[in-house]
Amino acid sequence: EPEVTQTPSHQVTQMGQEVILRCVPISNHLYFYWYRQILGQKVEFLVSFYNNEISEKSEIFDDQFSVERPDGSNFTLKIRSTKLEDSAMYFCASSPYVSEKLFFGSGTQLSVL
Amino acid sequence: AQSVAQPEDQVNVAEGNPLTVKCTYSVSGNPYLFWYVQYPNRGLQFLLKYITGDNLVKGSYGFEAEFNKSQTSFHLKKPSALVSDSALYFCAVRDINSYNNNDMRFGAGTRLTVKP
Repeated sequence: EPEVTQTPSHQVTQMGQEVILRCVPISNHLYFYWYRQILGQKVEFLVSFYNNEISEKSEIFDDQFSVERPDGSNFTLKIRSTKLEDSAMYFCASSPYVSEKLFFGSGTQLSVL
Repeated sequence: AQSVAQPEDQVNVAEGNPLTVKCTYSVSGNPYLFWYVQYPNRGLQFLLKYITGDNLVKGSYGFEAEFNKSQTSFHLKKPSALVSDSALYFCAVRDINSYNNNDMRFGAGTRLTVKP
């Protein structure tokens, strides 16, 4: 089965630094998402992306966050100035259309020191 | 916005016994409902979904779920639990009638432990 791939699997950064988390969604999918999970608990919605623009974002997704689809395959999440509370597992997901399930990547564990 | 509630943080059952993991939802229109499972240090894996049609949906690994519109519930069930079913289970919803219906919202998760 096709997979969503995420890199890196682990990212350690200093507070205040910028990080970019990378995702390659499944190639024929149209809808893209970022979620995060803190300490293996609740899965929190960050942002959805469709037709080269953000379609919805949560209150977590403030001005420090941005997403981009720089080419036909990659989907990135940038955190401009990381905070300690940004430490979490970040999951990328994609789906071919709105009624379909989300296909999740295996996640990037971000640790902010 | 759409939301789901999973009232139990933890469910413990003995192997071979039936299991139920509860989920209720809130949407302004009609829901698309999903269950996902997460094993330790892994991403979320799809189990099953309800879009329309038969209220009882069957999914992977012998799991099933029943959509109950009057009770706004979508409980996950399995007739006979296995130790290998022990994992974190998430219910999720999309509101197909919302203007921005792209995002899927997850419940807080229920940790299922099946003891031998």
